[in-house]
Amino acid sequence: DSGVTQTPKHLITATGQRVTLRCSPRSGDLSVYWYQQSLDQGLQFLIQYYNGEERAKGNILERFSAQQFPDLHSELNLSSLELGDSALYFCASSGIPGQDRYGYTFGSGTRLTVV
Amino acid sequence: AQRVTQPEKLLSVFKGAPVELKCNYSYSGSPELFWYVQYSRQRLQLLLRHISRESIKGFTADLNKGETSFHLKKPFAQEEDSAMYYCAALSGGYNKLIFGAGTRLAVHP
Repeated sequence: DSGVTQTPKHLITATGQRVTLRCSPRSGDLSVYWYQQSLDQGLQFLIQYYNGEERAKGNILERFSAQQFPDLHSELNLSSLELGDSALYFCASSGIPGQDRYGYTFGSGTRLTVV
Repeated sequence: AQRVTQPEKLLSVFKGAPVELKCNYSYSGSPELFWYVQYSRQRLQLLLRHISRESIKGFTADLNKGETSFHLKKPFAQEEDSAMYYCAALSGGYNKLIFGAGTRLAVHP
């Protein structure tokens, strides 16, 4: 157990639907990062939150949004789902800036299948 | 642009052979560099970080600033080393960790 918890582990949904992925960071970590891993795109950075505030954005579609709550858990919302959104979605966490140099800790991911 | 390049998609070796997984970066300044390993599409696990100069599971990686490389090496590959290996770089401040495309290492008996 890495200490980063992601739920659900698997999700199957239909095109056009909306889903929410949840991430609880490792205890004491303030930063949360979301990554998408698809077969043809590799690991793509989506978005970063630090202590409740958005800090950096990557290749995140407008149909996707995220937030980090006061208890530091984060949710990634995916709407108007398309077949191409099928992927593994990873959450990672790290401590305060300066501790990032020790690397991020990743969760086990949520496997999303859009049918 | 900040970029991490892993030129090989697949590296196939026999058990006991030496392994070198290549990684090059293009960053200004001095980025922090990491190697992550992923077994069978499970979670990514931190393997090495260049600041620690450590050896994990027999793997080492040396930062070569002149060549902007951070290649991962192991003198004798084992079958259990078969996995996806990702090189990643982090610049200072709140910047995100950028991953290379990954190299699949296949170690055959």
